[in-house]
Amino acid sequence: QSALTQPRSVSGSPGQSVTISCTGTSSDVGGYNLVSWYQQRPGKGPKLMIYDVTERPSGVPDHFSGSKSGNTASLTISGLQADDEADYYCSSYAGRDIYVFGTGTKVTVL
Amino acid sequence: QVQLVQSGADVKKPGASVKVSCKASGYPFSDHYLYWVRQAPGQGLECMGMIKPKTGSTAYSQKFQGRLTLTRDTSTNTLYMDLSSLTSDDTAVYYCARNTFSGFDFWGQGTLVTVSS
Repeated sequence: QSALTQPRSVSGSPGQSVTISCTGTSSDVGGYNLVSWYQQRPGKGPKLMIYDVTERPSGVPDHFSGSKSGNTASLTISGLQADDEADYYCSSYAGRDIYVFGTGTKVTVL
Repeated sequence: QVQLVQSGADVKKPGASVKVSCKASGYPFSDHYLYWVRQAPGQGLECMGMIKPKTGSTAYSQKFQGRLTLTRDTSTNTLYMDLSSLTSDDTAVYYCARNTFSGFDFWGQGTLVTVSS
């Protein structure tokens, strides 16, 4: 159960789009459509942003979107806003009631 | 509204055990699996294990097998995480989180456990 691989950081100017990748294996990301994404601000707990690869919970802005191809999932933030600056983590079901998280990506709004 | 309220910060010596509680409210306790996730300082999130509140059945990440015990009290809607043989590597914020299979939709406020001699 190794951590999923994410880029350490991504950055963009307000209004631009950024995409965060999340690479796993056929035993986790590639094996189930149970990828979720979390936003975490400094000193706070994680907040669910995307579930089931592409679905947004009520209240999450629609400029957040998710996708998956093979063993890699992606989170895209379109129309980047200052308020989007945070750490982002992916997660995938890995079988036997256990989940695995990504290494985390710091999003910086320039 | 759904709430997961955890016990306060704790300091333990190496080799000791720690027990953290998480009280659930605002929804039928038996309806959702509950997980424990930890985050070491400056590090990422790590899934430790799960308990099914209805049956008490558990699943543990391989890394914590033999050292982690998850229990629940259905009379108070409270779950407990017991981690033994602590080392400095166990210094972290520990979260309980509600799982809907699709994701973790509600999280506790986190409990800082510091392991220091």
